[in-house]
Amino acid sequence: ETGVTQTPRHLVMGMTNKKSLKCEQHLGHNAMYWYKQSAKKPLELMFVYNFKEQTENNSVPSRFSPECPNSSHLFLHLHTLQPEDSALYLCASSHFKGGNTGELFFGEGSRLTVL
Amino acid sequence: QKEVEQNSGPLSVPEGAIASLNCTYSDRVSQSFFWYRQYSGKSPELIMSIYSNGDKEDGRFTAQLNKASQYVSLLIRDSQPSDSATYLCAVSWSGTYKYIFGTGTRLKVLA
Repeated sequence: ETGVTQTPRHLVMGMTNKKSLKCEQHLGHNAMYWYKQSAKKPLELMFVYNFKEQTENNSVPSRFSPECPNSSHLFLHLHTLQPEDSALYLCASSHFKGGNTGELFFGEGSRLTVL
Repeated sequence: QKEVEQNSGPLSVPEGAIASLNCTYSDRVSQSFFWYRQYSGKSPELIMSIYSNGDKEDGRFTAQLNKASQYVSLLIRDSQPSDSATYLCAVSWSGTYKYIFGTGTRLKVLA
């Protein structure tokens, strides 16, 4: 079992569909992240959860809705997306201790195409 | 103003040479620094982390941190064609959960 697993790996959806991305980490970490990676742009932080509490929401449109039921699982619910939302969505986890962040580990990513 | 900056490249080096990748960042307190390698179509893979000034070596890779000058670099010795990828620099600041990434430098190692 790899450290951070994401499903599905590829997703094609229409603008009116509702879908969800799933992430699970097996590293015993206490923080989980969603990043968006578009062509020619740096990785964009979307959401951060620490101990299941959302600590960051980087001005992400409400058509993206995160859910973190426990420290090992993270979801990204998608609805009414736009074609410009097509990107690679990366889940990551780290261990936050003593005020410092440890190393960040990524899943394989979910490649999303919005038609 | 960007917080983490990298030259987008491509940086081309011949096989067996040393590749030098640089990253600058805005000044904050107690930063942590990370280098990732990302192959086309794949997710970023952690190469090294560095937390204090100086050099840190791991195999063919050496990370160098200079907090006074606000830069961190990655040296790859004996570069191989398989090292051809985009290298991402990331910075995290004490007391935050954020990791901010640069745009990455594309490295090409020519056989």
